[in-house]
Amino acid sequence: LAKTTQPISMDSYEGQEVNITCSHNNIATNDYITWYQQFPSQGPRFIIQGYKTKVTNEVASLFIPADRKSSTLSLPRVSLSDTAVYYCLVGPLPGGGNKLTFGTGTQLKVEL
Amino acid sequence: EPEVTQTPSHQVTQMGQEVILRCVPISNHLYFYWYRQILGQKVEFLVSFYNNEISEKSEIFDDQFSVERPDGSNFTLKIRSTKLEDSAMYFCATRTGSTDTQYFGPGTRLTVL
Repeated sequence: LAKTTQPISMDSYEGQEVNITCSHNNIATNDYITWYQQFPSQGPRFIIQGYKTKVTNEVASLFIPADRKSSTLSLPRVSLSDTAVYYCLVGPLPGGGNKLTFGTGTQLKVEL
Repeated sequence: EPEVTQTPSHQVTQMGQEVILRCVPISNHLYFYWYRQILGQKVEFLVSFYNNEISEKSEIFDDQFSVERPDGSNFTLKIRSTKLEDSAMYFCATRTGSTDTQYFGPGTRLTVL
C-alpha cells in the first residue's frame, strides 16, 4: 500500500474553506484515493473517493493533480460540526483489496 | 438511511473474562469487518469476513479472538480471555459487494479491569 503523509492538525474558523493535502508519492496505477472522517467516539465515515482530476459531492471536493502524487480534500464553508479527524487512504479497489489501513489522520479544529 | 448498529455501547469486564461484541450489519451487505482503536491511537484492522469465513486477519487477531455470524444477521467478535491491553473501541464495518465503501458502526467501548 502507498504510504500517505498528512498534516497532524489544522485549525480553521467557521465559514472558511479548508483544504487538507495528502502526499502519496508511491501511488500505484490501480490505486484510488479515499477520504474518511471520524468524529470523537464514533466510527469513521466515508466522505469521498477519486482516481484523478476532480470529484465533488454534497460534502466535499477532492482534487487530484495529473501526477497523482498528492490529493487535496476541500471542505467548503466549514462549521463547528466539521471538527473531526480526516483520513486519507490510498489503495486499489475494493478498499485496498479488503481492509482499510488508517494513518494518524489530520485533526481539524473549527472555531467560531 | 440504513446504519450499522453495535451492542453494547460500553462493556466493562475483568481481565480473563470472555466478552462478545455484537454488530448488526446493513441488510444487503456481504462483507464484514472488525477494527479497533486504542485511545489516542490509529484505527487498526482486525479481521474481514465473507461468505461465512475469515478472508483476512491481522497479527492482532490471535487465537483469543473469533468471529461468527450465527444467525445470518448478527456478526459477533468474541474475545476469550481478555487482557488489559484489549481495552479499546471496537468498530464493526460492512459493505456491499458492488462498492468498496465501508460503513462503520458507532463502536463498542471495551474496558478491561
